[in-house]
Amino acid sequence: KNQVEQSPQSLIILEGKNCTLQCNYTVSPFSNLRWYKQDTGRGPVSLTIMTFSENTKSNGRYTATLDADTKQSSLHITASQLSDSASYICVVSATGNQFYFGTGTSLTVIP
Amino acid sequence: EAGVAQSPRYKIIEKRQSVAFWCNPISGHATLYWYQQILGQGPKLLIQFQNNGVVDDSQLPKDRFSAERLKGVDSTLKIQPAKLEDSAVYLCASSSLAGRYNEQFFGPGTRLTVL
Repeated sequence: KNQVEQSPQSLIILEGKNCTLQCNYTVSPFSNLRWYKQDTGRGPVSLTIMTFSENTKSNGRYTATLDADTKQSSLHITASQLSDSASYICVVSATGNQFYFGTGTSLTVIP
Repeated sequence: EAGVAQSPRYKIIEKRQSVAFWCNPISGHATLYWYQQILGQGPKLLIQFQNNGVVDDSQLPKDRFSAERLKGVDSTLKIQPAKLEDSAVYLCASSSLAGRYNEQFFGPGTRLTVL
């Protein structure tokens, strides 16, 4: 069964600290994996996209890693800011425009 | 490039009433998706169109939900009659068949409250 699991479900960190979010998947055949940021009341916005051959991708203070062998990905946020407070969703795409969503990690950055 | 447009942004109705949502995808995107996102959960696919044909509607509650994309561009999602558990954000997304990543682009969503 194609599934995407994320951990932790929620996270609270102090402004300026780093954090890492996890995503494990069982989707096959794998096409790509992306991390989305979803602010409250808005649609998800793509942060990073990685294919099978890419094991790291950065977007500013966001760095995603992918281990296709263990089917794990992580999203590392460096020097967190209050504006990073949002839900972070891991989405794995199978071939044929099939998308599988994780339930998301809710991140709260406090001053 | 204009993004995915959705309307209305918010809707409040009473149970057993009907409601319709509209989505205009990014120009040229062949694939259009409707998702239901209940508070605290990830989006759940309701229906996927490719041009004006349905690719996947396995999770669409067909006794009350319907969707169409008549000309392969705009789409409408209808709920009739609404139930309390339909309260959620309804997201529309589109993607192009071309390109390396077949990335989905999401609209801002319509927040539905059923009283």
